[in-house]
Amino acid sequence: DIQMTQSPSSVSASVGDRVTITCRASQGIYSWLAWYQQKPGTAPNLLIYEASSLQDGVPSRFSGSGSGRDFTLTISSLQPEDFATYYCQQADSFPLTFGGGTKVEI
Amino acid sequence: EVQLVETGGGLIQPGGSLRLSCAASGFSVSDNDMTWVRQTPGKGLEWVSLLYRRGTPKYADSLKGRFTISRDDSKNTLYLEMNGLRAEDTALYYCARHQVGKHQFDYWGQGTLVTVSS
Repeated sequence: DIQMTQSPSSVSASVGDRVTITCRASQGIYSWLAWYQQKPGTAPNLLIYEASSLQDGVPSRFSGSGSGRDFTLTISSLQPEDFATYYCQQADSFPLTFGGGTKVEI
Repeated sequence: EVQLVETGGGLIQPGGSLRLSCAASGFSVSDNDMTWVRQTPGKGLEWVSLLYRRGTPKYADSLKGRFTISRDDSKNTLYLEMNGLRAEDTALYYCARHQVGKHQFDYWGQGTLVTVSS
């Protein structure tokens, strides 16, 4: 199975900050990487797919980059509604696997 | 508007069976690949099973044949039949729609909680 390792597990930030979250795959997954945002009591919401493509309706302050094993999610200017937990997911091979999550806190 | 609504969760004794349902609206489950994902505080998000639109299923190896995914096109509903339930199957179960031809998920339901305990 492909292991997905996210770092950090949590980050404290303020409104307006630039936040970067990383995700490393245990083997190469080309660009088959998705990012999700999850707020308490709700389901994950797709932000980025294929490493860098922005899902419809997602604000442009979110961006993704990387290929192979190393990937990054960047929030360019943190907004109050962005405080949540973020997960990466590899979409390359079965079983599909997720990272452990990064909680973005105030 | 695309919507997914899961039902069927609850408290079940170890060894018991449960069938989860995921009623879809705004699209046809028969035209899309569909997946079940579960979430626990300890293990996080875990992919459980996929049903390709052509009807081929895939499962996480850890399930060892205990779970069966299916759909009823006339009801536009996806199912997950779970047998031989164990304490470690306790989780919030989500159904999700795949982006067309891809293995990431663009719509999720709100989840249904399964608790396996005596």
